[in-house]
This record gives sequence, C-alpha cells and structure tokens, in this order.
Amino acid sequence: GENVEQHPSTLSVQEGDSAVIKCTYSDSASNYFPWYKQELGKRPQLIIDIRSNVGEKKDQRIAVTLNKTAKHFSLHITETQPEDSAVYFCAASMGGGSQGNLIFGKGTKLSVKP
Amino acid sequence: ETGVTQTPRHLVMGMTNKKSLKCEQHLGHNAMYWYKQSAKKPLELMFVYSLEERVENNSVPSRFSPECPNSSHLFLHLHTLQPEDSALYLCASSQGTGSYYGYTFGSGTRLTVV
Repeated sequence: GENVEQHPSTLSVQEGDSAVIKCTYSDSASNYFPWYKQELGKRPQLIIDIRSNVGEKKDQRIAVTLNKTAKHFSLHITETQPEDSAVYFCAASMGGGSQGNLIFGKGTKLSVKP
Repeated sequence: ETGVTQTPRHLVMGMTNKKSLKCEQHLGHNAMYWYKQSAKKPLELMFVYSLEERVENNSVPSRFSPECPNSSHLFLHLHTLQPEDSALYLCASSQGTGSYYGYTFGSGTRLTVV
C-alpha cells in the first residue's frame, strides 16, 4: 500500500521568511496530493491540493510542487506570518474508489516567530 | 462550522465502559471516515463507509465498532478500551470514496481512557 513520508517534523522560521515542507510517496499510481493545516485544538482543513497532471499550483502565499518522477511533492509558504503556525499534513491517494482513501504523513509543526 | 459535527468533544471513560461517538454531516457527501490521531503519528484510517456500506476496515481491533445508519450519520461504538486507545478521533466526509475534492473533517472527539 501507499506510504507517505514527511519532513521535517518541526520547523521554526522568522516572520517574513519562507517555509518548505517535503513529502515523498511510494506508490507511483497515486495521483492526488492535498495539504491540510491543523491549528492547535482545531480540525484539519484543506489548504491546497494538486493532481498528477499538474507540476505546480499556487494560491497567494502558498504553493505546492509535484515531481512525479521522484515521487515527491512540497509545500511552500512565502512571507510567513504568525497565523501560519500550525501542524501541516501532506497526503496522497489514487483518487478514486476504494483506492482513493487519503494516506497521511506524520505532520510538520511549523512555528513562525514574530 | 464546516458541516461535519462530532459529539461529544471530550470523553473520559473507564476500560469497562461502553460509549459511542457520533458524527453528522449535512454536506450531501456519500462517504464518511473515522480517523485516529495520536501524538507523533500520522492520521490513521480506521473505517470507510460509502453509501452506508463499509468498504474498508484497516484491521482495527473489535473493541471499536462502527455504524452508519444513513449517509449523514456515522457512529463509533467503544467498549473495553485500553489506555493506548486515548487519542483524538476525527470524522471526515467526502463526495465519494475518492478524494479528488478533499475531505471535510469534524472537530474531533478527544478520548481519554482511564
């Protein structure tokens, strides 16, 4: 089955700097890669996703890149703000039917220092 | 509220108790999920229901028993739990068993087994 590795487990940056979180996946059939943000005591929320027919997707300060050959994808946050502090989870799935269940990474705790 | 409601928010139970967790969604989704979130571990998929039929059970101990009476409601019945079962239990829903559109999570039930 699919296995998702996520690094680093913790990340601390200064406000205004960029943050990058990386994930690798094992199953080349995976074709959908969402990222979730979980603030302390709150539910995970989808912040951005990418499908395998796209190499990069951007939404304001957040971007995700996908390298299908290397089977890795990354979350990039630019101009970080204190409210970006949270745990970020990457996930992978094959997108349809019983193979579409999301397999999550272990999470990255991002701390943005003012 | 995102449309997925979980009750109770917090639950403390003894190892001999029987309790149930409830999840309700009004998003018109056809698939619902139970995930377990423990410290320093990935989100672990427990059960998947599609159109009220269980389609996946990831080798979860029998002391966890799911029930899906209709596409809007999902329960997790608990009995004779162990302290290591203490965790945040998250319910999620999606448009189908496939995650092209991502999951919507509930706020979770924080379970403590004493």
